[in-house]
Amino acid sequence: EVQLVESGGGLVKPGGSLRLSCAASGFSFSDYSMHWVRQAPGKGLDWVSSISGNSVYIYHADSVKGRFTISRDNAKNSLYLQMNSLRVEDTAVYYCASSWVDSRGYSVIDYWGQGIRVTVSS
Amino acid sequence: DIQMTQSPSSLSASVGDRVTITCRASQGISNYLAWFQQKPGKAPKSLIYAASSLQSGVSSKFSGSGSGTDFTLTISSLQPEDFATYYCQQYSSYPRTFGGGTKVEIK
Repeated sequence: EVQLVESGGGLVKPGGSLRLSCAASGFSFSDYSMHWVRQAPGKGLDWVSSISGNSVYIYHADSVKGRFTISRDNAKNSLYLQMNSLRVEDTAVYYCASSWVDSRGYSVIDYWGQGIRVTVSS
Repeated sequence: DIQMTQSPSSLSASVGDRVTITCRASQGISNYLAWFQQKPGKAPKSLIYAASSLQSGVSSKFSGSGSGTDFTLTISSLQPEDFATYYCQQYSSYPRTFGGGTKVEIK
């Protein structure tokens, strides 16, 4: 059974930092691209960052570029999101998601974690 | 960036109704389109990929179609567990973008 379990969220002041983790199990982690997707209170889904299985390809949304860094440790089956210079507008539930790569080389999201809340407030 | 526009933003339907949700991309994305279902307070669930292929374990009452810029998600016979918000997402290019969501409510 695939499981994705996020941790590391909480309350932080504007300008502060947090590191989110996502522990993966039930699949061959290193074969999968991984993503972070967030959802602000009462709002829709917002893609944040993606990383390929071998960490060669990394992408970030413009809204977090230069402040957030996605990374992974395949030996530990873990995904991370280092969030620096946090802003009030980063307040959201953050989901990690796994994706398999189809025959054309495109990564398709299949499983989602339960989400972790991040609140940025003074 | 590719913009994804869903319509309607909400709809009311009865149990047993056939429901169709539309998603339009601001430029062609071939069939690199996924659909997700989200219930209140829960994580999203993956329903469809490649515009029309069901994810493993997803009920066949869900179907998707489309290519290029125009896509649809159809629920053939709405059941109480289907009342949720549905999102489309393009995975043709980065940044990955989601539609604004369609909330399906009970009439």
